[in-house]
Amino acid sequence: EAQVTQNPRYLITVTGKKLTVTCSQNMNHEYMSWYRQDPGLGLRQIYYSMNVEVTDKGDVPEGYKVSRKEKRNFPLILESPSPNQTSLYFCASSLAGSPLHFGNGTRLTVT
Amino acid sequence: QKEVEQDPGPLSVPEGAIVSLNCTYSNSAFQYFMWYRQYSRKGPELLMYTYSSGNKEDGRFTAQVDKSSKYISLFIRDSQPSDSATYLCAMSAQNDMRFGAGTRLTVKP
Repeated sequence: EAQVTQNPRYLITVTGKKLTVTCSQNMNHEYMSWYRQDPGLGLRQIYYSMNVEVTDKGDVPEGYKVSRKEKRNFPLILESPSPNQTSLYFCASSLAGSPLHFGNGTRLTVT
Repeated sequence: QKEVEQDPGPLSVPEGAIVSLNCTYSNSAFQYFMWYRQYSRKGPELLMYTYSSGNKEDGRFTAQVDKSSKYISLFIRDSQPSDSATYLCAMSAQNDMRFGAGTRLTVKP
């Protein structure tokens, strides 16, 4: 089944404790992206990647890192999480210029 | 002013009603227009995908794009309780995709 898989689905952590949210897609898509979804603000792009070893900032990149060492994986790293990063996170992928396929989300709470 | 404006609702209709969801946008460079449906605790799933102005129909769903007015719509005919979800409009130019905040729809049996 073609899908974007995120893990974990739910995560509660404390301020300053580094964490990684994994994202994997099995559709051989070149493009991958991370979004956060907050009430009233909709989906905002954090980082995106056009292909392996190519990443770029989205609209809200502060406090986040990503890497794209393999085509299928695009992990999101929070080196020192803060409470304002409490949000619902989505990974998405697509062929270039095509609509995005989304994962089922990771709900992160930072206390 | 946000680049994409979407009324967040909530919108509640009886089963069988015609639902109209709308978005306006400010960037005239947008060429591709999408509607995503998001159920609770799920990721957005693509519902409709259109290019430039015009109508596109898929079963009970019709997407309309009016580029001259910078206005897009999604119509749902004969709405069902299973249509209860949040609907997100999205639009893109090149690889720049923008989303509306989403409209929460409830269809009551």
